[in-house]
Amino acid sequence: EVVLTQSPGTLSLSPGDTATLSCRAGQSVSSTYLAWYQQKPGQAPRLVIYGASTRAAGIPDRFSGSGSGTDFTLTISRLEPEDYAVYYCQQYTTPARYTFGQGTRLEI
Amino acid sequence: QVQLQESGPGLVKPSGTLSLTCAVSGDSITSSNWWTWVRQPPGKGLEWIGEIFHSGSTNYNPFLGSRVTISVDKSKNQLSVTLNSVTAADTAVYYCARIPFFYYAIDVWGQGTTVTVSS
Repeated sequence: EVVLTQSPGTLSLSPGDTATLSCRAGQSVSSTYLAWYQQKPGQAPRLVIYGASTRAAGIPDRFSGSGSGTDFTLTISRLEPEDYAVYYCQQYTTPARYTFGQGTRLEI
Repeated sequence: QVQLQESGPGLVKPSGTLSLTCAVSGDSITSSNWWTWVRQPPGKGLEWIGEIFHSGSTNYNPFLGSRVTISVDKSKNQLSVTLNSVTAADTAVYYCARIPFFYYAIDVWGQGTTVTVSS
């Protein structure tokens, strides 16, 4: 199993700041297979980034993804109130298996 | 607009069987997508349960072993999940979701349904 470790566990920032969230894999992951989700309390997750750097439909360009191999980053520029949530990274490996990181809570 | 709606018992007894159904609207269960189940225990992170293609091909989380079965009903445009021998550790919000071909990510989620395992 590919273990994903997200850091920090909690990130406290102010509106207008830039958030940098990290996702480290226990072994190399293809960029094609790395995604990020946003989850607000009481809601289902929402796809933010797939293929490590491609924004999902409706996601503002303040969100960007980068990285390769074992280290991936989600960057959120110019934080807005609606960005405060828990963010999960997710990877896919063959034979077919999806795993998620433990999440980073982004709070004001 | 694609919508997924989970349904099923909210309470299951220990050692019993958890069975949930997901109705798909706005897309065909036979389209070029994998259909998946993900769960989230209270206050915890996300766990992938498994996935199915309309051909019947399935992949499961090995940690769930042979306890889980996912199936599709093309006539009803829905998918289902069955989890046997449940314990309190299976208490969670269960989501059905869609994985488009070559995305390797979930682009549409249901709202989720809470299942509690308790006597």
